[in-house]
Amino acid sequence: DAGITQSPRHKVTETGTPVTLRCHQTENHRYMYWYRQDPGHGLRLIHYSYGVKDTDKGEVSDGYSVSRSKTEDFLLTLESATSSQTSVYFCAISPPGTPGGELFFGEGSRLTVL
Amino acid sequence: EDKVVQSPLSLVVHEGDTVTLNCSYEVTNFRSLLWYKQEKKAPTFLFMLTSSGIEKKSGRLSSILDKKELSSILNITATQTGDSAIYLCAVDSNYQLIWGAGTKLIIKP
Repeated sequence: DAGITQSPRHKVTETGTPVTLRCHQTENHRYMYWYRQDPGHGLRLIHYSYGVKDTDKGEVSDGYSVSRSKTEDFLLTLESATSSQTSVYFCAISPPGTPGGELFFGEGSRLTVL
Repeated sequence: EDKVVQSPLSLVVHEGDTVTLNCSYEVTNFRSLLWYKQEKKAPTFLFMLTSSGIEKKSGRLSSILDKKELSSILNITATQTGDSAIYLCAVDSNYQLIWGAGTKLIIKP
């Protein structure tokens, strides 16, 4: 199994509070991704990173920011959580040479915003 | 706008049946099509199909890419209860994966 861990795995928070989700990989892969998964929508890309301090927006980036200060860590921050951000968040990495191709996923972080 | 559509959205069959899941796509720059299986947690990779590899098989699972029809099918023969999962299709367009909503497959004993 690819070495990807997400934390926290479950979080309940209130509207307006900041939330940070962490993704840690031990594979030393360059590309890392944050997705959210909601019923009826499949997986939607929030942000991705193609190297340390190199990030870009995905299709649903509003309300989210990311940071990557080390190869192994990719942080997703909700500056002021809203109920519409209640979702399951997945981090993923892709093997070298094939960005956008086969992905390996973390176990997911379930976020509930009350 | 790039899009990937899977059908059916859900399917219930009995153990031993054969099932066919469908994925159709409209994207600007097709590079590959991928199938994933998602049980309770993270999606896990099944197949990647490209213009140079339009058919893949692994055990009871097989998949075919039809570039003319812009679609793919995933076949599962002699289904088992362990095949119960959500099956996700994704298309790589310009190095970005576009995902379908998934097909929820339930196998009854």
